[in-house]
Amino acid sequence: QQPVQSPQAVILREGEDAVINCSSSKALYSVHWYRQKHGEAPVFLMILLKGGEQKGHEKISASFNEKKQQSSLYLTASQLSYSGTYFCGTANTGNQFYFGTGTSLTVIP
Amino acid sequence: KAGVTQTPRYLIKTRGQQVTLSCSPISGHRSVSWYQQTPGQGLQFLFEYFSETQRNKGNFPGRFSGRQFSNSRSEMNVSTLELGDSALYLCASGPQGRAQETQYFGPGTRLLVL
Repeated sequence: QQPVQSPQAVILREGEDAVINCSSSKALYSVHWYRQKHGEAPVFLMILLKGGEQKGHEKISASFNEKKQQSSLYLTASQLSYSGTYFCGTANTGNQFYFGTGTSLTVIP
Repeated sequence: KAGVTQTPRYLIKTRGQQVTLSCSPISGHRSVSWYQQTPGQGLQFLFEYFSETQRNKGNFPGRFSGRQFSNSRSEMNVSTLELGDSALYLCASGPQGRAQETQYFGPGTRLLVL
């Protein structure tokens, strides 16, 4: 049930781009993306509903391919503040919600 | 609006004891979900309550239980604590708990079982 994220960890230099993938074996209704900094609670980034839409704000965007049950998070021109662990969360029509395995992202100067 | 609050923030217990954690959702939110976070297993879904009823349940033993009150506040109880129960316990609230809604997380309760 738990979605699988890739990569598990990534290190970037400021200004570089990154893509984080989230894949589920179950049919999905929505995908949620969160970022968690060490010692803090996860913070909501965005939510995508089925339909293949792409959303974004500032330099972080995401896509959702309902047929492939996959979502990708795109971070462009990364900043130091982007460091943290990124989780995708998937929900089916039964409102059952599962978090992905997590991707640790570190941005260095 | 005030955010999701959890009490206590830190807790130390010994094996065999039981513990009760509390979560107060954002005002107006009726759905409360609980998660266990450990370094090895990541964020694992425990259960979700909506209007005082458990609506969804994850794959945890019966030692883990919860309840929700009429004011939407929720408690989670773990009986007969084991070392492996040491974790950060997070609760999250949402308006209706639907798949298209955002969940807002509290700061968590860090439980250490000795």
